[in-house]
Amino acid sequence: QVQLQESGPGLVKPSQTLSLTCTVSGGSISGGSYYWSWIRQPAGKGLEWIGRMYTSGSSNYNPSLKSRVTISADMSKNHFSLKLSSVTAADTAVYYCARWSYVILTMTSYYYMDVWGKGTTVTVSS
Amino acid sequence: DIQMTQSPSSLSASVGDRVTITCRASQSISRYLNWYQQKPGKAPKVLMYAGASLQSGVPSRFSGSGSGTDFTLTISGLQPEDFATYYCQQSYTTLGTFGQGTKLEIK
Repeated sequence: QVQLQESGPGLVKPSQTLSLTCTVSGGSISGGSYYWSWIRQPAGKGLEWIGRMYTSGSSNYNPSLKSRVTISADMSKNHFSLKLSSVTAADTAVYYCARWSYVILTMTSYYYMDVWGKGTTVTVSS
Repeated sequence: DIQMTQSPSSLSASVGDRVTITCRASQSISRYLNWYQQKPGKAPKVLMYAGASLQSGVPSRFSGSGSGTDFTLTISGLQPEDFATYYCQQSYTTLGTFGQGTKLEIK
């Protein structure tokens, strides 16, 4: 079965760029009609959707983060990445990667996140 | 942007109880509504998609209903492992907005 694993620095300095990678195992990132996404969760708070990408190259981002976010994939390494620029303490959170899968019911596609990584904690501090 | 509002924010219940969590969208989202369960220190896990469809492997005591703007997640016969935080999420737009969460605690 498909598994996802986040990796990257646990500490990032303010104003720098946060870079995380999500490695996909048990399946190909380019196989099937899936979106690949990032979600974050500050300590003790709720989930915030960051964005997602399709393997065709199209992507969608949270408008509140859009000017600072890039999600991209490296098919040869079977992973996708998150870059968040100009970080501040407000970007401190657990970051999750997830797969958007879909099901067709009465000729309509319904998307949901069916596979998640375990999450990685990123702290923004000098 | 579509806003998702859950109620209550927290809930105390006992093993064996039946509980209902409500999620309201700021505009109609048809049945594009998912429910997730999250336990402390763990990633969320999908319970329901398309409003009322049970994800494979999820116990049948979980059920969902609703369409348009109002949705509910019901747990019939609470088990100890059900005490967690529950989130709804809309997938009607490309911005997959989550509700703020409902923490279900043991009474």
